[in-house]
Amino acid sequence: AQKITQTQPGMFVQEKEAVTLDCTYDTSDPSYGLFWYKQPSSGEMIFLIYQGSYDQQNATEGRYSLNFQKARKSANLVISASQLGDSAMYFCAMRGYSGGSNYKLTFGKGTLLTVNP
Amino acid sequence: SAVISQKPSRDICQRGTSLTIQCQVDSQVTMMFWYRQQPGQSLTLIATANQGSEATYESGFVIDKFPISRPNLTFSTLTVSNMSPEDSSIYLCSVRGGANTEAFFGQGTRLTVV
Repeated sequence: AQKITQTQPGMFVQEKEAVTLDCTYDTSDPSYGLFWYKQPSSGEMIFLIYQGSYDQQNATEGRYSLNFQKARKSANLVISASQLGDSAMYFCAMRGYSGGSNYKLTFGKGTLLTVNP
Repeated sequence: SAVISQKPSRDICQRGTSLTIQCQVDSQVTMMFWYRQQPGQSLTLIATANQGSEATYESGFVIDKFPISRPNLTFSTLTVSNMSPEDSSIYLCSVRGGANTEAFFGQGTRLTVV
């Protein structure tokens, strides 16, 4: 079974500052992937960044980086230089690659980020 | 990347009726997934739809309530049957792209049952 834990229901950050959104996970799959999504109030799910369990380096995509600590089973999202448009719900998700996991995504409860001007 | 068109984007339905949600992908994909997001909650997988076989439902979801069709590799429908106000949610379809790093979502269907 897979489990994603996001312990921060809400976070506030000042515009132009960096913010870290926490995510811890648990899985029995030897191979897995970790995703971060942004969900604005419109409801769409916007893919931000991906980290594979065997990737040696932390993933980066523009202002987004993933602080992957495999031994601690954490995959925190770092957003640098926050913008007002970053205000949204952020979900951490996991996909297992064994047959039993069936490639489905398991989501955390999400963190609501508010960027203040 | 895959582009997913989901229809309708939103609807308000009477209790006891059914709504069919369509999901169209611009490329052929093996797996399509249907998720439900209840108000203020996270996403929960309803079922996995593979072309040419019966959908696989997650615990707590049954085919009579959420029948799924997958007639080809680019299209799927989810029907929410005999709706009650508790079915008010956002329903999203998702596909796994060609690489394991990909997981794309449609725009979602915001359903309100009155």
